Amino acid sequence: DIVMTQSPDSLAVSLGERATINCKSSQSILYTSNNKNYVAWYQQKPGQPPKVLIYWASIRESGVPDRFSGSGSGTDFTLTISSLQAEDVAVYYCHQYYSTPPTFGGGTQVEI
Amino acid sequence: QVHLQESGPGLVMPSQTLSLTCNVSGGSISSGNYYWSWIRQPAGKELEWIGRISVSGTTNYKTSLKSRVTISLDTSKNQFSLKLNSVTAADTAVYFCAREEVDCFSSGCHEAWFDPWGQGALVTVSS
Repeated sequence: DIVMTQSPDSLAVSLGERATINCKSSQSILYTSNNKNYVAWYQQKPGQPPKVLIYWASIRESGVPDRFSGSGSGTDFTLTISSLQAEDVAVYYCHQYYSTPPTFGGGTQVEI
Repeated sequence: QVHLQESGPGLVMPSQTLSLTCNVSGGSISSGNYYWSWIRQPAGKELEWIGRISVSGTTNYKTSLKSRVTISLDTSKNQFSLKLNSVTAADTAVYFCAREEVDCFSSGCHEAWFDPWGQGALVTVSS
């Protein structure tokens, strides 16, 4: 199984400041046939299910604010919140769908 | 807009079978190119994929759970179900159902991200 390792486990950021979350896969999740990275990012608020923010490593889901961005390729990926808002307090997960079973990172708690 | 909702007992006795159903509304479970998955999350822990089913009935399960899991589909009721037998306290978790995108290109079709998710159902295994 591909292991997704997130860092840090938790992150405290001031309102309006940048938050950066990292995710490293145990093997490359870049599919060379289509040059796509098979990784998504989710936001989970307390008592709610995860909500997809980013897929194909950098494509923002419709309706997701543009302060959220994804980057990276191969084994190293980053989710950036450019200007943290109060409503962004949540746990964030990366997810690889390169191979079965799909696996998730351990999560990063973002706080103010 | 497709909406998913889990239902089933919130308490299961050890060694018994956990049974959950995911009702799909706002669209047909048979339409489009999707898989239908179950994912669980023990309290304070990370997400664990359990398995999936396609509209054609093809299933894939996580290897470590394969001997205990069955996922089935009922297109007439627009729902899919999870059965996990011989449960222990380690199976206590919030169980989510989710639709899994499928991406098709020249090399074939491949599973992708999960969207949407059900609200989740807490299942506690205890006597």
